[in-house]
Amino acid sequence: EPEVTQTPSHQVTQMGQEVILRCVPISNHLYFYWYRQILGQKVEFLVSFYNNEISEKSEIFDDQFSVERPDGSNFTLKIRSTKLEDSAMYFCASSDQIGGGGAKNIQYFGAGTRLSVL
Amino acid sequence: ILNVEQSPQSLHVQEGDSTNFTCSFPSSNFYALHWYRWETAKSPEALFVMTLNGDEKKKGRISATLNTKEGYSYLYIKGSQPEDSATYLCAFPTGANNLFFGTGTRLTVIP
Repeated sequence: EPEVTQTPSHQVTQMGQEVILRCVPISNHLYFYWYRQILGQKVEFLVSFYNNEISEKSEIFDDQFSVERPDGSNFTLKIRSTKLEDSAMYFCASSDQIGGGGAKNIQYFGAGTRLSVL
Repeated sequence: ILNVEQSPQSLHVQEGDSTNFTCSFPSSNFYALHWYRWETAKSPEALFVMTLNGDEKKKGRISATLNTKEGYSYLYIKGSQPEDSATYLCAFPTGANNLFFGTGTRLTVIP
């Protein structure tokens, strides 16, 4: 069964360093997403991406964050200069529905990358 | 900020017991409600997408109901098994299909 894969499963970095989290979405999907969960808190939406551009982003997704689909398969989240509060589990998801208010928009999630900023 | 709440936060049940938990969400501008099951160290897995008031969906021993007028959904598990132990998340689609998640209910089934 097709699945979303994320690498690495755990990333440790020093504060101020750049990190790139990688995702391979399901191959025929068109919409891509990043979410994160800070320990003990809700899963929060960061950004959605369609047709090689950001379609929506949350307040969390500030200038320190960027996303890219550098080739036909990878979808990456870059954090330019990590802060302690960026420590979280980051989830990538993909879906094959376009618009429609999300009524049937099942999103398929990866297992996440745990980012630890020291 | 949407108010999507789940209760209880955590739940311990004995193997074989049936259980249920609640997701409450804004009843205005309703499009759909999603239920996900998330086992530790695995990907959150979609269980149901509920779209119509009165919807009832079933997958094996797990079922869900939806009341859009009063803004709640129940998830039921019949005859809980240890493999049902997971966090159950409900999510409310907003904007361009991004999901606004509830706090989750962590279920532990004791053998």
